[in-house]
Amino acid sequence: QVQLQESGPGLVKPSQTLSLTCTVSGNSISSGSYWWSWVRQPAGKGLEWIGRFYTSGSPMYNPSLKSRVTILGDTSKNQFSLKLSSVTAADTAVYYCARTTVTMFLDYWGQGTLVTVSS
Amino acid sequence: EIVLTQSPGTLSLSPGERATLSCRASQSVSSTYLAWYQQKPGQAPRLLIYRASNRATGIPDRFSGSGSGTDFTLTISRLEPEDFAVYFCQHYGTSVITFGQGTRLEI
Repeated sequence: QVQLQESGPGLVKPSQTLSLTCTVSGNSISSGSYWWSWVRQPAGKGLEWIGRFYTSGSPMYNPSLKSRVTILGDTSKNQFSLKLSSVTAADTAVYYCARTTVTMFLDYWGQGTLVTVSS
Repeated sequence: EIVLTQSPGTLSLSPGERATLSCRASQSVSSTYLAWYQQKPGQAPRLLIYRASNRATGIPDRFSGSGSGTDFTLTISRLEPEDFAVYFCQHYGTSVITFGQGTRLEI
């Protein structure tokens, strides 16, 4: 059974960097069969894809966030991470990690973690 | 960038009724890259339909997807109480994943 679990600080100060980690079990992120994505959702709003990571290729990012986002993988820990720099209140959201198939649908999701940007 | 527009924004129905949810793309897209998700309050989205018409593992057959080009539909044939949730369509194109704004299905 594939499981994903987000972890990281729930509170980040404006202008600082948001850092989250997704720990994957039941599937190796280095298997090469899947991408691994981050998606966020502000309270009461829709879903926004942030970017995706692939062990055998370059990460891909949402153009609207590209200048501030870095997604990396740590195959030794079977984890991938999200860094979002220069955060503002607009970055307050529930952040999800998800397994992403080759046809780019997201078939397994973490339960999400709320990150609030506030001083 | 392709924009997905879902309608209606809110759909009010009763258990046992049929629900028809629409997802319209701003330009023609490949059905290979069209998916639907269900999200209940406080939960992560759950994949329902992929490649426009294929049910994901464990999804009841009352859920069906159809469409091509710019118009896609999610149909729930007979609503069960647990089906009242928010539904999102999703597309992949030119390296970007995009979501519709969602349809809230309420009792």
